[in-house]
Amino acid sequence: ETGVTQSPTHLIKTRGQQVTLRCSSQSGHNTVSWYQQALGQGPQFIFQYYREEENGRGNFPPRFSGLQFPNYSSELNVNALELDDSALYLCATTPGLGVIQTQYFGPGTRLLVL
Amino acid sequence: KQEVTQIPAALSVPEGENLVLNCSFTDSAIYNLQWFRQDPGKGLTSLLLIQSSQREQTSGRLNASLDKSSGRSTLYIAASQPGDSATYLCAVPGNQFYFGTGTSLTVIP
Repeated sequence: ETGVTQSPTHLIKTRGQQVTLRCSSQSGHNTVSWYQQALGQGPQFIFQYYREEENGRGNFPPRFSGLQFPNYSSELNVNALELDDSALYLCATTPGLGVIQTQYFGPGTRLLVL
Repeated sequence: KQEVTQIPAALSVPEGENLVLNCSFTDSAIYNLQWFRQDPGKGLTSLLLIQSSQREQTSGRLNASLDKSSGRSTLYIAASQPGDSATYLCAVPGNQFYFGTGTSLTVIP
């Protein structure tokens, strides 16, 4: 198992609500990426944070936002939830920037929007 | 934009059989390629990372190969076991991590 943890493990929300998901980085990892994985699909990149700044974003609307804290933990916030936001949300951390780095994934948060 | 494809989408084999999973990518200018395993409803576990300068990487019963020029990678699993049942994903990094849709493997005892 990696040292990456995510909370909560499961969450049920209704359409229009807001949600905050949390990720704690593996020790020494200052870069965190968030992914959305719909059922039967591969993970889709949402955004990446490096040293508390956003460092790249995928094709997701602005209602998906994030934060990274000085201890490198991170939050993913989703406003105005839609039914299609139902998915497994994964965070992954790396010890720094650079494409040679492998990513260490957390167990994910499963979000259901009703 | 990088596109990653995995074939087959699902595979069912009897225990003990050797098998090959395929991954193809459209942009051959990659730094590395990574194979992951995902158990149902769980996160991703890294299996093998192949650097662009390598052609193969081995870990136990797993062997991954990389052919950048043809845009292909294969994951070979020897002597499959029921515990190998999972979804296998390949991914390549760029300005983000690009994943395939995965191959769902079932090993029948």
